[in-house]
Amino acid sequence: KAGVTQTPRYLIKTRGQQVTLSCSPISGHRSVSWYQQTPGQGLQFLFEYFSETQRNKGNFPGRFSGRQFSNSRSEMNVSTLELGDSALYLCASSSGASASSYEQYFGPGTRLTVT
Amino acid sequence: ILNVEQSPQSLHVQEGDSTNFTCSFPSSNFYALHWYRWETAKSPEALFVMTLNGDEKKKGRISATLNTKEGYSYLYIKGSQPEDSATYLCAFIDGGSQGNLIFGKGTKLSVKP
Repeated sequence: KAGVTQTPRYLIKTRGQQVTLSCSPISGHRSVSWYQQTPGQGLQFLFEYFSETQRNKGNFPGRFSGRQFSNSRSEMNVSTLELGDSALYLCASSSGASASSYEQYFGPGTRLTVT
Repeated sequence: ILNVEQSPQSLHVQEGDSTNFTCSFPSSNFYALHWYRWETAKSPEALFVMTLNGDEKKKGRISATLNTKEGYSYLYIKGSQPEDSATYLCAFIDGGSQGNLIFGKGTKLSVKP
């Protein structure tokens, strides 16, 4: 079974631009979560989607948004990029209805650099 | 703000040593605790999902215990091997915001051959 895939793997953007990252979960998984990893803050939860609905959202500004499609693929968007948005963005999928109760399978991540 | 602490921050052991580290979390309104292993240049890998006080889970040489009343979980590695070198992360989920995983900063384990 193919794992979680994320595209692109690397991205360089300038301040003020916007960016869209994509995540394809493991086949059959309907729950997708997004995380931001920075050296200073560690791994932080962004949001969780299940069946095209956002179920939970972490403590991030409204510039961070996401969506999930009917095939469970998910995208996250960051508008008006800031230098502090430079990070590794990880996506994870799980087989259950909630990421809380089930093992999550992580993708390789997208490394975003904002200059 | 909910705080999840992991100790120690880093650990250096010799091959064959057994080791353990701690994850501390708020003891009220517990929902679940996750353990992950994250090797450099790879993706985090789920080890355990623990939900009940007193839970003990095992996967090969790695095991974990959970005490929700006092707010801690231990991860044990028996007979460490160089391939166990990784950062071990715990993530706490409280009952009020199910789905919002709060991660500790991790324990970085280095196993010398």
